[in-house]
Amino acid sequence: QVQLQESGPGLVKPSQTLSLTCTVSGGSISSGGYYWSWIRQHPGKGLEWIGYIYYSGSTYYNPSLKSRVTISVDTSKNQFSLKLSSVTAADTAVYYCARVLVNCSGGSCYSDWFDPWGQGTLVTVSS
Amino acid sequence: QSVLTQPPSASGTPGQRVTISCSGSSSNIGSNYVYWYQQLPGTAPKLLIYRNNQRPSGVPDRFSGSKSGTSASLAISGLRSEDEADYYCAAWDDSLGAGFGGGTKLTVL
Repeated sequence: QVQLQESGPGLVKPSQTLSLTCTVSGGSISSGGYYWSWIRQHPGKGLEWIGYIYYSGSTYYNPSLKSRVTISVDTSKNQFSLKLSSVTAADTAVYYCARVLVNCSGGSCYSDWFDPWGQGTLVTVSS
Repeated sequence: QSVLTQPPSASGTPGQRVTISCSGSSSNIGSNYVYWYQQLPGTAPKLLIYRNNQRPSGVPDRFSGSKSGTSASLAISGLRSEDEADYYCAAWDDSLGAGFGGGTKLTVL
């Protein structure tokens, strides 16, 4: 079955860029049919969707984070990545990657559920 | 501030039936499917209900979901101690992308 694993620095300095990678195993990003997404969870808080990417490179970002977020994909490595610029302490969170089913019928497509999820990685923004 | 609204907590005794509500708007729950995720302590969220009321394989039929208008609810019958977790509702929003509720912490007394 498909598994996702986040990796990257656990500590980032304020004003710098947070960079994380999600490695997908047990399935190919290039096969299509799914979006590849990032979600974060502030300590003790709820979930916040960051954005997603299709294997073709098309992206969709949360409007509240759009100016600082870049999600990219490397199909040769079966990985996708997150970059969040100009971070502050408010960006301290557990960052999850997850797969989103793309459901197409009647000529239109829509995003469906998040599954599976990676185990998550805590990123702390501090000097 | 979450896109969807859930009560912060819920509780019940073993064997009881508990419901968790989720409120949204016409741009999310009112026009798209609702999903529920269960997050056990220290773990990643797990899909519990999809497309309003469908259970993935392996999810007990004690869990059920429903939707009406711009609101949805998750019901757990025959409550068990292992159901103690955080529960999140989610729906795609026509303008905002994926929206989540703030989460409901379920305590089994």
